[in-house]
Amino acid sequence: EPEVTQTPSHQVTQMGQEVILRCVPISNHLYFYWYRQILGQKVEFLVSFYNNEISEKSEIFDDQFSVERPDGSNFTLKIRSTKLEDSAMYFCASHSGVAEAFFGQGTRLTVV
Amino acid sequence: QKEVEQNSGPLSVPEGAIASLNCTYSDRGSQSFFWYRQYSGKSPELIMFIYSNGDKEDGRFTAQLNKASQYVSLLIRDSQPSDSATYLCALDSGNTPLVFGKGTRLSVIA
Repeated sequence: EPEVTQTPSHQVTQMGQEVILRCVPISNHLYFYWYRQILGQKVEFLVSFYNNEISEKSEIFDDQFSVERPDGSNFTLKIRSTKLEDSAMYFCASHSGVAEAFFGQGTRLTVV
Repeated sequence: QKEVEQNSGPLSVPEGAIASLNCTYSDRGSQSFFWYRQYSGKSPELIMFIYSNGDKEDGRFTAQLNKASQYVSLLIRDSQPSDSATYLCALDSGNTPLVFGKGTRLSVIA
C-alpha cells in the first residue's frame, strides 16, 4: 500500500538553528501539505503546495518557514531559525485531488 | 474563520458498547467530512469520510452527516479497548486544507 514517508522521525535542535524536515509523498498525488500539532493541541494547517508552488498558507507560515520540492519525489519544510515554540509534531500529507489526504508518520521536532 | 468543535472528553464506554462521538462546524460551505483516529504520539489515521447527508457505514463504524444542523457524528459499535484513542473530526471545502477539531479522547474500558 502506498504511503507518505517522513524523515527524520525525531529531530532535536538548538534554538536559532535551521532544520529541514523531509517528506516523500505518494507518487501520483498532486497536492502536498504540511501540518503541525503542538503537544496537547489540535492539528493545524501550515501550507499547501500544488503545481510546484505554494497554493495556500496559514498565519503560522511566516518568513521563517519555506517549502520546496527539489526533485520529483521529495517535499521539504525548512525552518530557518527555530524557536522554542516551534517544538511540535510536523505532519506531511498528500492528496490525489480525489478522496482523502494521506498522512505521514510525522517528525517530532524538539527545540532546546 | 472555519471552526470545528468537539467535546474533548474523555468519553468512557465499556467494552462492547456503542461509542458516540460528535462534531459541529461553522462553515456551511464545507463539503467533505472526515474522522481520523490518533493514538498518542502518532499521526492521524483516516477512519471514514462522508460527503452526503445521512449515514455511511463501514464495518463497526457509522458516520452521520446533517448539513442543515452542521453536525457530524461517528458511532463505533462493539467498542474494543484498541479503539481507545483520540478521534479527530476534520473538514474541507473541496481540495482545501483540512480544518481539524481538537479531538475527543475515547477510553474503552475492558
